[in-house]
Amino acid sequence: QVQLVQSGAEVKKPGASVKVSCKASGYTFTSYDINWVRQATGQGLEWMGWMNPNSGNTGYAQKFQGRVTMTRNTSISTAYMELSSLRSEDTAVYYCAVSDCSGGSCYLDYWGQGTLVTVSS
Amino acid sequence: SYVLTQPPSVSVAPGQTARITCGGNNIGSKSVHWYQQKPGQAPVLVVYDDSDRPSGIPERFSGSNSGNTATLTISRVEAGDEADYYCQVWDSSSDHYVFGTGTKVTVL
Repeated sequence: QVQLVQSGAEVKKPGASVKVSCKASGYTFTSYDINWVRQATGQGLEWMGWMNPNSGNTGYAQKFQGRVTMTRNTSISTAYMELSSLRSEDTAVYYCAVSDCSGGSCYLDYWGQGTLVTVSS
Repeated sequence: SYVLTQPPSVSVAPGQTARITCGGNNIGSKSVHWYQQKPGQAPVLVVYDDSDRPSGIPERFSGSNSGNTATLTISRVEAGDEADYYCQVWDSSSDHYVFGTGTKVTVL
């Protein structure tokens, strides 16, 4: 069965960077895009971007352009999301999710358990 | 950018039907997907491509999409359906995912 296991909670100071990992199993890692979605406490879902694990190609939401970098290590079926220049508003749970675009439209059918990132001085 | 609007909350008695709307400009021309999120848990896909259900999702969950409104319908509501629900589309013009504002379903 498809599983996405994310790294543990992080506490960072403003201005620092954080790198969250997402280890995939149960399917061919390079066959489906990995997306990152975040959710601040009590708020809605916010899509951050996608990465094609086969090519390494990425696409980022405009809000995060210049601050987010999505990468992967295919040898260990792991995707990474690094967010820099952290501020308090970046405090949120960060999810990785596998997308299915086979029908012409894309949706997220498998999700990681989430990683809490707290930004505090 | 494309905007999806949902009512903040919907309340429904057990055994009744809950309808959650998702409004967007000509949303009927797009495929709409729905997620259920319970407190402290990751979202779960409950409907994709307007009206299809992933395996394991009860038939009580159904969807429709036309004009400027998509709707998620939960029939014979149970206490376990209490959760936040989000609609989502793929905006092909920007290659971006767009989520709705979310609806909290309360079972009375």
